[in-house]
Amino acid sequence: ETGVTQSPTHLIKTRGQQVTLRCSSQSGHNTVSWYQQALGQGPQFIFQYYREEENGRGNFPPRFSGLQFPNYSSELNVNALELDDSALYLCASSLVVQPSSYNEQFFGPGTRLTVL
Amino acid sequence: AQSVTQLDSHVSVSEGTPVLLRCNYSSSYSPSLFWYVQHPNKGLQLLLKYTSAATLVKGINGFEAEFKKSETSFHLTKPSAHMSDAAEYFCVVSEYGNKLVFGAGTILRVKS
Repeated sequence: ETGVTQSPTHLIKTRGQQVTLRCSSQSGHNTVSWYQQALGQGPQFIFQYYREEENGRGNFPPRFSGLQFPNYSSELNVNALELDDSALYLCASSLVVQPSSYNEQFFGPGTRLTVL
Repeated sequence: AQSVTQLDSHVSVSEGTPVLLRCNYSSSYSPSLFWYVQHPNKGLQLLLKYTSAATLVKGINGFEAEFKKSETSFHLTKPSAHMSDAAEYFCVVSEYGNKLVFGAGTILRVKS
């Protein structure tokens, strides 16, 4: 069973650029959540995708967008990068049967984004 | 909205002594609570979870936590610290719809 994988592991961009981060969910999982972890802080929920539809969003501006594909992998896109977007971006997958109930999330190792 | 407060940003213990990492939560209904551990350059790993069953929850690597509704607390303990326990620990509450809300984290240092 393959765990959650993310690519790339590290990325350096400049202000104003756009970036795409990728996540492959664990086999059998249908839901992907994205989190941003700034240095010295706990992860913050960006959004979740369930069966290719956005299923909840945290307090992030619209320039943070995402996709989920039929194979349940996912992308996080960030436009017009700002210095404060520098962070570790974590992806977590889960098998959701009932969206309202708890379903364990399994985290990938993250992508470290640096914005200069 | 639900939230968690980790009362200590850093905890330092000697190897072989007990570990206590403190967490208080705020929730408008019966919460699901978790502790995750993050080792340097590794992903988050679930230590244990409380989902309204037994209030004393046992997790991996000898860790346990007790849900105390009257105190709105979910402290993490381990009887005897090991060097490999040095890491950052996050107390987490789950909101409706599987959104996880993380605390700010507690860095555990284990001295030999």
